[in-house]
This record gives sequence, structure tokens and C-alpha cells, in this order.
Amino acid sequence: QSVLTQPPSVSAAPGQKVTISCSGSNSNIGSNSVSWYQQLPGTAPQLLIYDNDDRPSGIPARFSGSKSGTSASLGITGLQTGDEADYYCGVWDSSLSAGVFGGGTKVTVL
Amino acid sequence: QVHLVESGGDLVRPGGSLKLSCAASGSTFSDYYMNWIRQAPGKGLEWISYISRSGRIIFYADSVKGRFTISRDNAKNSVYLQMNSLTTEDTAIYYCARRESDAFDLWGHGTMVTVSS
Repeated sequence: QSVLTQPPSVSAAPGQKVTISCSGSNSNIGSNSVSWYQQLPGTAPQLLIYDNDDRPSGIPARFSGSKSGTSASLGITGLQTGDEADYYCGVWDSSLSAGVFGGGTKVTVL
Repeated sequence: QVHLVESGGDLVRPGGSLKLSCAASGSTFSDYYMNWIRQAPGKGLEWISYISRSGRIIFYADSVKGRFTISRDNAKNSVYLQMNSLTTEDTAIYYCARRESDAFDLWGHGTMVTVSS
């Protein structure tokens, strides 16, 4: 059971939009910055979003992040077949003094 | 261009020990906050340990506390994970990752640890 809750899977047609939610608590999302990671099959995770809504250089603007209270979300617009991957939210938990991740969400392009 | 390269993964018997290494290249390693994160086969990501730039501040996940030890040698641009009392539940790909701006912005390719009799 992960500290952060994500839906196991989401899907949409090419060109459409998907949103992935990440639910936590006051000790993690409620008080620290959320980051998001993309893991393509057979590869290491890659940072997509940091500080809730910032994108590292090289990450397309199709990827966006937001946070409100104890929840965060990742949005992917203009969905492409290359976006098929597992996506994870991550944050520091101040009560646990530990990093925590969501269970991951598999994005399928129909 | 900064790279992280893990090594040391192997097949080990339950109750055994293993030491993983992560070498950084391309920049000032002593400026990095480093972490170990693992992923069991077919499962999600699990953060397991953090070490500050100086090595004086260390955190562990409860699942490894008392069994795993993180350390670093800034002169060798390396971070290590000593793993003792291994169980089958420790079977995973182990990644080292740099923490910057409250995110893991740089990951190695991972090294596989298999605990099996």
C-alpha cells in the first residue's frame, strides 16, 4: 500500500488529454513539493515535473503539473503513442522523514 | 553531461550481504544530495535511502532500516549501499538518483539484485 494514491491506469486516444491524480496527506503533498516521473518500458525513470508545476529543460509543454491541498495531478495533452509509459508522483514525507512515491499509473494510448 | 552508473548487483542467498556502488561523472559530486531507490519486478518505485552532501545527514525507509547502510566518498565521486540480512523481498533493480529542487532529477540505469536460494 503506497503512501500516495494514484489510479492504476488511464487511457485515451491519440491527440486527447489524460489527467493522473495523486492523493496524499498534510505531511507529504500538503507541505512539500511534488514531482512526477515517466518510466518508459525497460528504462530508468525520468523527471517530468518538479516543484509541483515546473518542467526541466527538454520536457515538452504537453506535460503539466498542479497541486491543491493534499492532492496533485499530472496532465498530458496531445497524447502520442510514445507517451505510453508508467507515471509516478513523488514527494518528501515530513512525518516519516522519507521519500514516498505513488503506486504508479500506466498510460495507454488507444 | 553528468552521468550516474550503478554497479555491484548480483545473485545472493537469503541472509547474505551485498554492496552496491554508484559512480558520478561530469560535475562536482560533493554538491549532490544522493539517494537509493529500488523497483521490485513488476512493481512501483520505492525510495530507500538519502545521504546529504557531507554525509552527516542520512535517512532510511523503515523496510531497510537496521539492515542497509548508505555512505559516500566525495573524493571518489561515489555513493554506496551496504545491504545485509537480505531477504527475497529485497529483490529489485536498485537505482541511485540525485536529489535537486525536491526532486530526483538524475537517475542511473540501475543494477539488479536478486535474492534467492
